[in-house]
Amino acid sequence: EDQVTQSPEALRLQEGESSSLNCSYTVSGLRGLFWYRQDPGKGPEFLFTLYSAGEEKEKERLKATLTKKESFLHITAPKPEDSATYLCAVQGGSNYKLTFGKGTLLTVNP
Amino acid sequence: DTAVSQTPKYLVTQMGNDKSIKCEQNLGHDTMYWYKQDSKKFLKIMFSYNNKELIINETVPNRFSPKSPDKAHLNLHINSLELGDSAVYFCASSQDVRGDYGYTFGSGTRLTVV
Repeated sequence: EDQVTQSPEALRLQEGESSSLNCSYTVSGLRGLFWYRQDPGKGPEFLFTLYSAGEEKEKERLKATLTKKESFLHITAPKPEDSATYLCAVQGGSNYKLTFGKGTLLTVNP
Repeated sequence: DTAVSQTPKYLVTQMGNDKSIKCEQNLGHDTMYWYKQDSKKFLKIMFSYNNKELIINETVPNRFSPKSPDKAHLNLHINSLELGDSAVYFCASSQDVRGDYGYTFGSGTRLTVV
């Protein structure tokens, strides 16, 4: 069964303090790894899809990277509006099912 | 215009009742999903439909029955509600089964069973 583990569970940063979130996974035949952002009381919002080790994607202050066993979401000079829960999900090749991790709750203080 | 809309947003009901949650998407997507997010924020797939055809049916009690009258709608009916069914239920859609461009989620239905 596909598994996704995210760490840390919660992360508190000062505005401008860069850091990384980790997503480690086990999946039979990784087809894609996805990052989502979820704000309180809302549904997750799609950020990135990564397909193969070495791939990187960027969006504003966020950069996602992928290795054969884990993915990192790097946050550079975060702002308070980056505060949210960041979810990682993997998709195996057999039925395209998306398996989510429990997320990392990021809080950025001004 | 809301891309994926769910109704109702909140649902409080007694144990043993039957309830339905409705979902509609106006994105022209082929694939729709129901996810359950429990109190620990863990998001878990329940069902997936592609062009009205059921393609993913996870280990979910028979009391949960999805229905897709057309590819823009996916409803969830729950019989004999139990306390453990309390959670936030999210509907989502994607362009196709691969979901390469990501899923678009609704804002969720918070179900509380008392």
